[in-house]
Amino acid sequence: EDQVTQSPEALRLQEGESSSLNCSYTVSGLRGLFWYRQDPGKGPEFLFTLYSAGEEKEKERLKATLTKKESFLHITAPKPEDSATYLCAVQAGGSQGNLIFGKGTKLSVKP
Amino acid sequence: DAGITQSPRHKVTETGTPVTLRCHQTENHRYMYWYRQDPGHGLRLIHYSYGVKDTDKGEVSDGYSVSRSKTEDFLLTLESATSSQTSVYFCAISLDTNYGYTFGSGTRLTVV
Repeated sequence: EDQVTQSPEALRLQEGESSSLNCSYTVSGLRGLFWYRQDPGKGPEFLFTLYSAGEEKEKERLKATLTKKESFLHITAPKPEDSATYLCAVQAGGSQGNLIFGKGTKLSVKP
Repeated sequence: DAGITQSPRHKVTETGTPVTLRCHQTENHRYMYWYRQDPGHGLRLIHYSYGVKDTDKGEVSDGYSVSRSKTEDFLLTLESATSSQTSVYFCAISLDTNYGYTFGSGTRLTVV
């Protein structure tokens, strides 16, 4: 069964304190791994897509990496405005674009 | 989000009544999806569409039906609402199967 597990469930950081979020997955033929950011009361906002092991993508203070079993979202010198829930999702081979989501990591960054 | 609109944003309904949620897009994307989001479960796929009148079931489709008569509109219907269908419902669109989704702002549905 295709599955996505995110850890930790919640993470509290001080402003400037770098850390990483983990997304481990089991999927039959990975077509893509996606990271989203979700603010309270809003829909998820697309951040990155990774397609193959070894691939990395960056956007401002965020960097996503991918291995054959997991992905990391590295947050460098976070700011309070980075506080949000970060969602990881995978797309299996043969799917009609359907994504399987993890439960998310709620990040809080205190000034 | 620009290009995708969900209506209504909030709705309270009684058990046993039919409810229809609407998703409207102006992006001309082929793929449209309905997800529900519940605490402790994350986002789960209800139904999806890969073209006009082409739809299929997702992980949690029981009690739900969908219709897509035009590219821009994807309707989700709860035939007879139950309290277990209290949730936040998100519509998403995608240009192709390898692309990420663009999500709508969600509909918060409460069944009393």
